[in-house]
Amino acid sequence: GESVGLHLPTLSVQEGDNSIINCAYSNSASDYFIWYKQESGKGPQFIIDIRSNMDKRQGQRVTVLLNKTVKHLSLQIAATQPGDSAVYFCAEIKNTGGFKTIFGAGTRLFVKA
Amino acid sequence: NAGVMQNPRHLVRRRGQEARLRCSPVKGHSHVYWYRQLPEEGLKFMVYLQKENIIDESGMPKERFSAEFPKEGPSILRIQQVVRGDSAAYFCASSFDTGLNTEAFFGQGTRLTVV
Repeated sequence: GESVGLHLPTLSVQEGDNSIINCAYSNSASDYFIWYKQESGKGPQFIIDIRSNMDKRQGQRVTVLLNKTVKHLSLQIAATQPGDSAVYFCAEIKNTGGFKTIFGAGTRLFVKA
Repeated sequence: NAGVMQNPRHLVRRRGQEARLRCSPVKGHSHVYWYRQLPEEGLKFMVYLQKENIIDESGMPKERFSAEFPKEGPSILRIQQVVRGDSAAYFCASSFDTGLNTEAFFGQGTRLTVV
């Protein structure tokens, strides 16, 4: 079946360094992807999105890259800060008679001070 | 401008009891989604509702689980005769519309513990 999954379950980076979180999707009828951030005890929070007709999109300190050839999505966080410590999920929007968000397993990011 | 409100935040039930989880969407939002999250795992889609209608319940267990989103009032996720395996965090999300580029806003979740 279709799935959105992540390569690395945990990632530890030094404060100030750049972080790269990866995601692979196996099969998708969707052309829209979102990255979410989930802090402990809270619900997911939208970070950035990208459509399949794009290969890169930038936000404030974050960049999402999409490689449709190898079905790979990545989230880059520049100058990682302690407040970036959280679990990050990639997700795709699927149309099943209504659009729903399908999440991957998540990557936990630890930022060392 | 309140976001998605879920209550209770924490719920403890004995095996065999019923659990009722409530979700008040963002004001003006008519689309509601329920997800279940086990510790250290991602969010699993359960059901998508639009006012008074179930649009997609492909992620809902066939037995003991039901969801509704009445014309008035919050959406309710109901779990009958709970078992220990139902222990999880249940998140609700709402959106104004449905479609690409439609952002869903998530609540803080209800953490259900079955003892």
